[in-house]
Amino acid sequence: NAGVTQTPKFRILKIGQSMTLQCAQDMNHNYMYWYRQDPGMGLKLIYYSVGAGITDKGEVPNGYNVSRSTTEDFPLRLELAAPSQTSVYFCASVATGSSREQYFGPGTRLTVT
Amino acid sequence: GDSVTQMEGPVTLSEEACLTINCTYTATGYPSLFWYVQYPGEGLQLLLKATKADDKGSNKGFEATYRKETTSFHLEKGSVQVSDSAVYFCALTASGGSYIPTFGRGTSLIVHP
Repeated sequence: NAGVTQTPKFRILKIGQSMTLQCAQDMNHNYMYWYRQDPGMGLKLIYYSVGAGITDKGEVPNGYNVSRSTTEDFPLRLELAAPSQTSVYFCASVATGSSREQYFGPGTRLTVT
Repeated sequence: GDSVTQMEGPVTLSEEACLTINCTYTATGYPSLFWYVQYPGEGLQLLLKATKADDKGSNKGFEATYRKETTSFHLEKGSVQVSDSAVYFCALTASGGSYIPTFGRGTSLIVHP
């Protein structure tokens, strides 16, 4: 299994541009999550999904959108990028009925200038 | 709501020193408890876990015991190595239907040769 994969690894955006961060998992996990991690800070939950077609807001959803059309994929869309969205973004997944440990992707480092 | 409090870092140690990183939590019922480790430039990965009171999780020489009476899950290692330098996150997932974890803010560990 590849586990949780994220693309791209790095990206520089100009203010006002848009982009989609890709996340995929091959473990057939129902739950998927997007977090952001600012320098020296912990994780903040942006959005999560409990299964295909079902998504919900986390702690800091403003400026982002998600969709979940398949079990495997959970892309995060940034519209009208702002410098405040400069961060490292992590995708994670959890298996239903498990001990609820999270499996994380390697992250996408995004800079908005 | 649920919360996790862990000691602030950075924690700076010499190689072969003993390590304790304190973690206490607030949650109803019997949450599952986790320690995740984040090496520089990488995503988080599970270090160890405990799912019920008095359980001891262990991995790579690290240990933590689920103490219900003190609501604690302190991370310990008897002899740290330079390669243990990383950020350590304590986390919980509540019992019942929730699959939304609560993370602590992370503790940076720096081990000098």
